[in-house]
Amino acid sequence: EIVLTQSPGTLSLSPGERATLSCRASQSVSSTYLAWYQQKPGQAPRLLIYGASSRATGIPDRFSGTGSGAVFSLTISRLEPEDFAVYYCQQCGTSPWTFGQGTKVDIK
Amino acid sequence: QVQLVQSGDEVKKPGASVNVSCKASGYTFMNHGISWVRQAPGQGLEWMGWISPYNGNTKYAQKVQGRVAMTRDTTTSTAYMELRSLRSDDTAVYYCARDRVWLGETDYWGQGTLVAVSS
Repeated sequence: EIVLTQSPGTLSLSPGERATLSCRASQSVSSTYLAWYQQKPGQAPRLLIYGASSRATGIPDRFSGTGSGAVFSLTISRLEPEDFAVYYCQQCGTSPWTFGQGTKVDIK
Repeated sequence: QVQLVQSGDEVKKPGASVNVSCKASGYTFMNHGISWVRQAPGQGLEWMGWISPYNGNTKYAQKVQGRVAMTRDTTTSTAYMELRSLRSDDTAVYYCARDRVWLGETDYWGQGTLVAVSS
């Protein structure tokens, strides 16, 4: 199975700062099938990015995704208070679909 | 609006089975696959499998293969996930989620169902 490794495990930042999250795959992943989700405590995950770089419906443009092959990233250009959460990458191109272990973005 | 409404929380003993339902509304049920994802307390997301509401085809994660069965009822637009021979490490919140596009990422999620396995 494809293993996704996210880094860092925790990112401590202040509102207004830029956040860059990394997702590395154990083998190449079609960018068509790389997604990012946000999860807040007690809530279901929310789709942010699909196809490595396309924002899902209603997602603000401060969220952006890039990458190809085995290296992908999610950037939040200016952190808003509601952005402090856990972020997961997922590949759904090769069964079994797999998730990264998550990056927690918390308030510094 | 698209909604996935799951059945209520469950407490089960080791060795028992659990059946979680996921009722879809607000879209054409047969046009979008349904994935099941679980999350153990304080842990990350784990994909368990996928079902095609169109023809019932399934894909399962190896970790639960042999203990899990995903089915659907097209007359009620409901997907089901049965997990058998429950163990303590099956304790988790179980989510159903709809494919945004066929066999792709998931754009709508159920509210989650807590399954607690304890003697």
